[in-house]
Amino acid sequence: GQQVMQIPQYQHVQEGEDFTTYCNSSTTLSNIQWYKQRPGGHPVFLIQLVKSGEVKKQKRLTFQFGEAKKNSSLHITATQTTDVGTYFCCDRAGGTSYGKLTFGQGTILTVHP
Amino acid sequence: KAGVTQTPRYLIKTRGQQVTLSCSPISGHRSVSWYQQTPGQGLQFLFEYFSETQRNKGNFPGRFSGRQFSNSRSEMNVSTLELGDSALYLCASSLHRMETQYFGPGTRLLVL
Repeated sequence: GQQVMQIPQYQHVQEGEDFTTYCNSSTTLSNIQWYKQRPGGHPVFLIQLVKSGEVKKQKRLTFQFGEAKKNSSLHITATQTTDVGTYFCCDRAGGTSYGKLTFGQGTILTVHP
Repeated sequence: KAGVTQTPRYLIKTRGQQVTLSCSPISGHRSVSWYQQTPGQGLQFLFEYFSETQRNKGNFPGRFSGRQFSNSRSEMNVSTLELGDSALYLCASSLHRMETQYFGPGTRLLVL
């Protein structure tokens, strides 16, 4: 079945440094959604990317969808301690698996003050 | 609007028992999906319900089942529990299929 690979698995940064997590698939992604899960919490929706080459920004967060729709990235500029958590990408399938979400393993971000 | 609620929040069972978890979606949301989250396997899709019908199913054995009621509330059932079923079970609802999902706080199940 489809696999969504996410790297890195862990990332430790000093507050103020930038952070990027990458999401890759061997097959074409349908719709990429990004979620954040704080320690002890549940995933919270951040954004959805649908179009090839799409770039969306939310304050310090920049989301990109690859031209070939096989990868996506989330970049955080000047991290803050509130950015701590696990960032997941997931593909919301179309076609015969319409609606099925396949999650990446997540990137655990630690921000040192 | 109230968020997605899940009951119970914590549960301890022994091997061989069965368990039923409940999920109440956000008012007006018709799609409910269930996920299993473990440290080793991450977030894995269990199934999706929309209009009382299962629309999608993940790669889990038949011991995992679910249903959705006419008010969109959903339950999932795990029979003949195994140690490996210990996990956080998350429910998520969305207004329609393929839209933003809102997750509940989860039910943490421990199988002894």
